[in-house]
Amino acid sequence: DAGVTQSPTHLIKTRGQHVTLRCSPISGHKSVSWYQQVLGQGPQFIFQYYEKEERGRGNFPDRFSARQFPNYSSELNVNALLLGDSALYLCASSLSNRETQYFGPGTRLLVL
Amino acid sequence: EDQVTQSPEALRLQEGESSSLNCSYTVSGLRGLFWYRQDPGKGPEFLFTLYSAGEEKEKERLKATLTKKESFLHITAPKPEDSATYLCAVRLYTDKLIFGTGTRLQVFP
Repeated sequence: DAGVTQSPTHLIKTRGQHVTLRCSPISGHKSVSWYQQVLGQGPQFIFQYYEKEERGRGNFPDRFSARQFPNYSSELNVNALLLGDSALYLCASSLSNRETQYFGPGTRLLVL
Repeated sequence: EDQVTQSPEALRLQEGESSSLNCSYTVSGLRGLFWYRQDPGKGPEFLFTLYSAGEEKEKERLKATLTKKESFLHITAPKPEDSATYLCAVRLYTDKLIFGTGTRLQVFP
């Protein structure tokens, strides 16, 4: 069975630009969560969606937004990119918002 | 403030030299503790979930235990392929996951 997939794998943007990251959950999983991981740190929670509704939001600015589609895939959008947004962005899926989360390979974002 | 602390930050072991990694937490409400393994540049790989004090889980050379304030990941007779960063995460009653900063393990032949 396919695991969580994310696209693109790598991305280079300049300050002020906008980026959209995509995630497809494991088949049958209805919850998707997004995390930001800076080098040397643990993942930081950004958003959780379950059944297309936002169920949790971390301490990130309004430049970060997300949504979940009817097929349970998800997008993370970041506007007005800053140098500090450079990180590995991880998507995790789970059967529900209270089940074990399984992570995708991540999208490496570099902001110049 | 909810917090998860892992120690040590880094650990170097000789192949076959057993050791333990620590994850201590101070949270307002615990709905589960998770261990993940992360290889460089990749996403975390799920290892264990623990829900209550006294619970233990095993998988190959790894064994995870849980008390009311901390969890241990015991590695018995490690091999070089066990080298990775081991992450601990706690689920709060809000269902939010809080991660520690991880322990970077290196096992030398």
